[in-house]
Amino acid sequence: QVQLQESGPGLVKPSETLSLTCTVSGGSVTANYWTWIRQPPGRGLEYIGYIYYTGITNYNPSLKSRVTMSLDTSKNHFSLKLTSVTAADTAVYYCARFARALDVWGKGTTVTVSS
Amino acid sequence: DVVVTQSPLYLPVTLGQPAYISCRSSQNPVYSDGDTYLNWFQQRPGQSPRRLIYKVSNRDSGVPDRFSGSGSGTDFTLKISRVEAEDVGVYYCMQGAHWPFSFGQGTKLEIK
Repeated sequence: QVQLQESGPGLVKPSETLSLTCTVSGGSVTANYWTWIRQPPGRGLEYIGYIYYTGITNYNPSLKSRVTMSLDTSKNHFSLKLTSVTAADTAVYYCARFARALDVWGKGTTVTVSS
Repeated sequence: DVVVTQSPLYLPVTLGQPAYISCRSSQNPVYSDGDTYLNWFQQRPGQSPRRLIYKVSNRDSGVPDRFSGSGSGTDFTLKISRVEAEDVGVYYCMQGAHWPFSFGQGTKLEIK
């Protein structure tokens, strides 16, 4: 049974880069699409983008200029980088499997942008 | 971009009664493979979302059969036939056919 676990700093300073990793267990990243979603405090879900195991990516146009996703098959994980963060990027960040129908989710990690 | 609109946004329900959540997509969420990527998720308080229904009406493994999805075109419905206490939370629909994929605003289900 595939499980996902997000990890990364819980606090990022404004204008700096947010970096998160999602570790896949019980399965391999060398299959499927892998997705990042976020949820600002008290609000709904926002789709950030996805990466295919071949390295093909697709980013939400609202974040495209600041987002980079990558995948490391040797470590069986995939990553998210979001540059030039502001308070508006404060959210719980989730990773999930399968871009179109998100069948498995991680527990989420809270990232706060503050000086 | 495709806009996904849910109603109601707040749904108080008596235990044992049915509940209906509507989801309307501004475009038909049919992908080029012929499948309709309209999915439903449940987010219990303090938890991550969990998929309940995929591609309109397919129930995920372990999801009670009191949950069902239906619809076509641009209008879809999640039905809970008899609400139980564990159903409290926020329900989201999501379209996965047109990029960027998008979620509805969420419907908060509470027990009356």
